Order: sequence, then structure tokens, then C-alpha cells
Amino acid sequence: DQQVKQNSPSLSVQEGRISILNCDYTNSMFDYFLWYKKYPAEGPTFLISISSIKDKNEDGRFTVFLNKSAKHLSLHIVPSQPGDSAVYFCAASVDHNTDKLIFGTGTRLQVFP
Amino acid sequence: SQTIHQWPATLVQPVGSPLSLECTVEGTSNPNLYWYRQAAGRGLQLLFYSVGIGQISSEVPQNLSASRPQDRQFILSSKKLLLSDSGFYLCAWSVFQGDFLSGANVLTFGAGSRLTVL
Repeated sequence: DQQVKQNSPSLSVQEGRISILNCDYTNSMFDYFLWYKKYPAEGPTFLISISSIKDKNEDGRFTVFLNKSAKHLSLHIVPSQPGDSAVYFCAASVDHNTDKLIFGTGTRLQVFP
Repeated sequence: SQTIHQWPATLVQPVGSPLSLECTVEGTSNPNLYWYRQAAGRGLQLLFYSVGIGQISSEVPQNLSASRPQDRQFILSSKKLLLSDSGFYLCAWSVFQGDFLSGANVLTFGAGSRLTVL
């Protein structure tokens, strides 16, 4: 049972344009969401997060939007840069005692010149 | 500053051989520690987590085990590897982000260990 879903395995965007990565979840008890970025042969690195009490969080070129009624969140990257090319994982948290995160399957973003 | 070390970086093992992957954390005490696996075409799957020395919780039934002999050391093991154990194994520890009203612990991952079972 995949509680966090990233239905697009890959996305290709031209440099300078907006990249939109989507994530859906099924568990209404999730109350904190995170995005991680992963380069090949490296561990994922934390990118940005959002609490369920908010609907938007912005950090530089990265903005995460949360639609609780639709159980959907998205990551916007504007403007996209070639260095943004990586796999992006959406993750959700429900258990603060153990800090367990449930990850999606990832979306591979390629930004071309 | 906190750092996490994970080794070996790559490993090729025959089916039926044992496994030991090690992870250590520096610059923090009593961290929550985790082992994740990224299998081909799949997301990050939580295998084990530990909230303290000797305290291990398993998330999925499998051919692997974990141990935490010291506060900042986490070991992933197997007595006999299967082909299906191949994957990219990631150790992580967590730090809290946010405030008391809303927040979560953010995982910081190691560089990963690529295991290929032949």
C-alpha cells in the first residue's frame, strides 16, 4: 500500500522555466511533508518542508504548496537550472516519536539548456 | 557540526554470503537512527529504526537485521544474502525542525552503500 505517491517518474524542463513536481498521499493523519533531492550514488538531501497547518512554504527558488482537501502537494522550482537535475522524493511524517518518514517513489527531473 | 559516515560505499557479494554495513554519527548524542533501502524502480523503504542503544524496530519482514551497539553506531547485517537484497542502502539520523505547534524531525542521510548480490 503506497501511502505517498509520485505518479510521474520523470519530468523534462527547459532551463529558466518552471518545474512542477507533484505528490499525492492517502493518509489524512500525515501532518508534515518534506521534499528531498537525490543525485546518483549519493544520499538524499533535505530541500524544503511544509506543515499541514500551512498551504505554502517558500525558500528561494523552491516553493511547496499543500492542498489538504485534495491530499496533494507540489514542489515548484523557478527558474529551473541544470544543477536541479536530480531525483526528487516527496515524504510524509505522522509519527513524531520515531520520526519515521514515508517516501514516494521519486520523480527524475532533467533540466536542459 | 553533525556528520554521518556510512561504509562500505560499494559491495558485491555472492548469494548466501553474510553482510555487514556500518553507520556512525558524529556531533550529536542519542540520535534516532534509520536504515532505508532504495531498490531499483522503487522509492525509499524504511527497514529499521532505533531510538536508543539496543532498541531496534523492524518495519518489514526480511532477510536483514540491525543492531545498535553504541549510541552513535548502527549496523545492518545479514547471515545469508539473497538476490533480492540488492539495492542502495541508506543510513540516516534525525533532527527536529519547526516549533512545538508544528514540526517534524528531518532526516539527514549518509552517502549510501550500493550492494549487489550475484
